[in-house]
Amino acid sequence: AQTVTQSQPEMSVQEAETVTLSCTYDTSENNYYLFWYKQPPSRQMILVIRQEAYKQQNATENRFSVNFQKAAKSFSLKISDSQLGDTAMYFCAFISNSGNTPLVFGKGTRLSVIA
Amino acid sequence: GAGVSQTPSNKVTEKGKYVELRCDPISGHTALYWYRQSLGQGPEFLIYFQGTGAADDSGLPNDRFFAVRPEGSVSTLKIQRTERGDSAVYLCASSPQAGMGQYFGPGTRLTVL
Repeated sequence: AQTVTQSQPEMSVQEAETVTLSCTYDTSENNYYLFWYKQPPSRQMILVIRQEAYKQQNATENRFSVNFQKAAKSFSLKISDSQLGDTAMYFCAFISNSGNTPLVFGKGTRLSVIA
Repeated sequence: GAGVSQTPSNKVTEKGKYVELRCDPISGHTALYWYRQSLGQGPEFLIYFQGTGAADDSGLPNDRFFAVRPEGSVSTLKIQRTERGDSAVYLCASSPQAGMGQYFGPGTRLTVL
């Protein structure tokens, strides 16, 4: 079974600074997808970024980028130029490429952006 | 276009009662998922539909929980004889296919008194 581990329960960053959230996972599969979701206090889960395991290039979405290290099974999220609106819970998630299977989530990291 | 919607937003019920939670997925998404999120935790999988059929219900905690999707669109999660431990946020998500990610609704916060 796949597992996802987020080892940082809470983090904080000054506005306009850069922060990196860590995620590791365990799987025996070779083809899969990884995601970062953001959950603000409104509790709406918002897809931030996705990475396909067979692509070596790290995904980037505006201020959000990932560092995907497949051999190390590591998938960290970097947020550049942090904004107050980035304050939220961030969840790392894994999904197999074997079909429409459920996401496996980590326990999340609570990020606070400080003015 | 419209996202995933869930009703009600909040539901308070008494122990032992029956509740229904509704999910309306994004139009055209064939896959629909239910998750449960307890305070301070990530979402945990309950059940997944591909079309009208439950493709995987291995996450349902016991036989008090049941879900249907009769026409392949709207889904209802049903909980019988609710217990205080059922209190959580119930999230619904839909997806066109696995690698595209799942799109979540705002959730229903269930409180069992």
